[in-house]
Amino acid sequence: AQKVTQAQTEISVVEKEDVTLDCVYETRDTTYYLFWYKQPPSGELVFLIRRNSFDEQNEISGRYSWNFQKSTSSFNFTITASQVVDSAVYFCALITSGYSTLTFGKGTMLLVSP
Amino acid sequence: ETGVTQTPRHLVMGMTNKKSLKCEQHLGHNAMYWYKQSAKKPLELMFVYNFKEQTENNSVPSRFSPECPNSSHLFLHLHTLQPEDSALYLCASSQDLAGPFNEQFFGPGTRLTVL
Repeated sequence: AQKVTQAQTEISVVEKEDVTLDCVYETRDTTYYLFWYKQPPSGELVFLIRRNSFDEQNEISGRYSWNFQKSTSSFNFTITASQVVDSAVYFCALITSGYSTLTFGKGTMLLVSP
Repeated sequence: ETGVTQTPRHLVMGMTNKKSLKCEQHLGHNAMYWYKQSAKKPLELMFVYNFKEQTENNSVPSRFSPECPNSSHLFLHLHTLQPEDSALYLCASSQDLAGPFNEQFFGPGTRLTVL
């Protein structure tokens, strides 16, 4: 079985603060892919990143960075210098080689106030 | 148009109505998906199609009937729904079901309200 846990239901920060969204996953497969999606109030899920299980390099894209640690089964997402436009629900998801479908976490709602 | 589009964006229907949701992807993908997103619940996968063939039905009630006439179009036919079926219905597509091209791209969703 596979599972994704996003323990933070809601996070509130003030603009320009850094914020980290946690994601912990469970799988018995050695080959898997992890994803982060952003869902703004408009409803559409926006793909942010995919990471495969054999690539533990951390990634930075502008103000976004991801920390993948297999030892702790975590794939955390950090937004540096947060902005109001970052306000959204963020989902972490997992797909393994034995499944064809994504397992989503429950999501973390991020509220960035001016 | 580009990406994944869904129509209508909002739908209000009575329990005895019959309506359909439409999804179209302009990405040349082979797989398409229907998800249900209810308040305070995780995203629930409903159906998966790969090359027009249904590969997964996640124990969805028969009042939801999917149709995939080609790899670019996916429909969800609705009839005799219940108020608890009110939710955001999201369509997604991916290049393949698995492997390195499996990231799913989502449409904006249809907000369904059943009265």
